Amino acid sequence: DVKVTQSSRYLVKRTGEKVFLECVQDMDHENMFWYRQDPGLGLRLIYFSYDVKMKEKGDIPEGYSVSREKKERFSLILESASTNQTSMYLCASLTPGTGKVGELFFGEGSRLTVL
Amino acid sequence: AQSVTQLGSHVSVSEGALVLLRCNYSSSVPPYLFWYVQYPNQGLQLLLKYTSAATLVKGINGFEAEFKKSETSFHLTKPSAHMSDAAEYFCAVSSPSGSARQLTFGSGTQLTVLP
Repeated sequence: DVKVTQSSRYLVKRTGEKVFLECVQDMDHENMFWYRQDPGLGLRLIYFSYDVKMKEKGDIPEGYSVSREKKERFSLILESASTNQTSMYLCASLTPGTGKVGELFFGEGSRLTVL
Repeated sequence: AQSVTQLGSHVSVSEGALVLLRCNYSSSVPPYLFWYVQYPNQGLQLLLKYTSAATLVKGINGFEAEFKKSETSFHLTKPSAHMSDAAEYFCAVSSPSGSARQLTFGSGTQLTVLP
């Protein structure tokens, strides 16, 4: 079975703290994604990575960075957390698929609260 | 540019009744369309996808969706709701030439199933 694991389900941090959200997939997928989920806004893409050490900005990259040192691991970093980054963060990896239509597999999410 | 509109952020149905969740899209090219479901405290999982083959797509758990180009719609239906269908449902659109980088999600519809 496909598995995407997010190490922290719930985090509470203080404003200004550095926050690491870790995501590991066991499927040898090349493409991995970080989304932010907020009520009424759906999912918004923060960053994605198409290979080790390769990354591209998504729609809302400001205030975030990412790291992909190994194929199976994709980390989201909040350099200095702010209260407006309180949200649910979802990691996903993409099956290669046929005809470029792959399937996204999601982790269970990391709910971050910044005080 | 592409976008997705999900009509109704909350839908309630009685157990055994028809489920209809509405999704309209905007795309400058023939799209690929997806429905994802998110059960409480879980990540998203793929229900079904349209990739320009048959316009009526069957998915998991008895759900299906019909692509109607003239109406730019991809509504999700299930003939008889079950309590276990209570979840949030997301419609998403992608262009055939793109990867999941170009996947745009709707804002979601919360489905409540009443006993």
